[in-house]
Amino acid sequence: NAGVTQTPKFQVLKTGQSMTLQCAQDMNHEYMSWYRQDPGMGLRLIHYSVGAGITDQGEVPNGYNVSRSTTEDFPLRLLSAAPSQTSVYFCASSPSSVNTGELFFGEGSRLTVL
Amino acid sequence: AQSVAQPEDQVNVAEGNPLTVKCTYSVSGNPYLFWYVQYPNRGLQFLLKYITGDNLVKGSYGFEAEFNKSQTSFHLKKPSALVSDSALYFCAVRVDTGRRALTFGSGTRLQVQP
Repeated sequence: NAGVTQTPKFQVLKTGQSMTLQCAQDMNHEYMSWYRQDPGMGLRLIHYSVGAGITDQGEVPNGYNVSRSTTEDFPLRLLSAAPSQTSVYFCASSPSSVNTGELFFGEGSRLTVL
Repeated sequence: AQSVAQPEDQVNVAEGNPLTVKCTYSVSGNPYLFWYVQYPNRGLQFLLKYITGDNLVKGSYGFEAEFNKSQTSFHLKKPSALVSDSALYFCAVRVDTGRRALTFGSGTRLQVQP
């Protein structure tokens, strides 16, 4: 049981380039989300999805795009990378039960934008 | 709106001594409260949660947390610290209605000295 898998683990981009961070989970979780982690700021929600075909914005969505075509996958797209997007990105999923709230995290993707 | 405050950037404690990591929250509605731990270069791992019921919640690795509604606090505690408890700890909150997005605190680094 792999849990939540993120790729790549490390990536360096130049300003203006685009890329996709991949996230896959094998737990049949309906809820998936993307967070970014910056020093002293904790984790901030970028986008989330409550099921296939349904996505919504979080706290810091600008510059990012998501889609959810399957239950398993929730890719995060950076449309035109900026140095302010240098961060560690975490994908997290949760079962469909509303009352749990417990998130299962991937190991993170460290992105540097030059 | 919901928010979480972790007033201490770092907590230092000697091995074998009790530890406390502080967390206060602000929500409109009934809170769901969580503690997560992050080891170096890893994703966050769920420790424990408060949904309803007993104010003292027990979780993984001997940790417990006390929910105090009047003080809007949810402090993490452990009776006897281990060196292996050294990590980054995050408190998180969400309300009991609406979307399941968690709001995280900025994190507290726990350093347990031998």
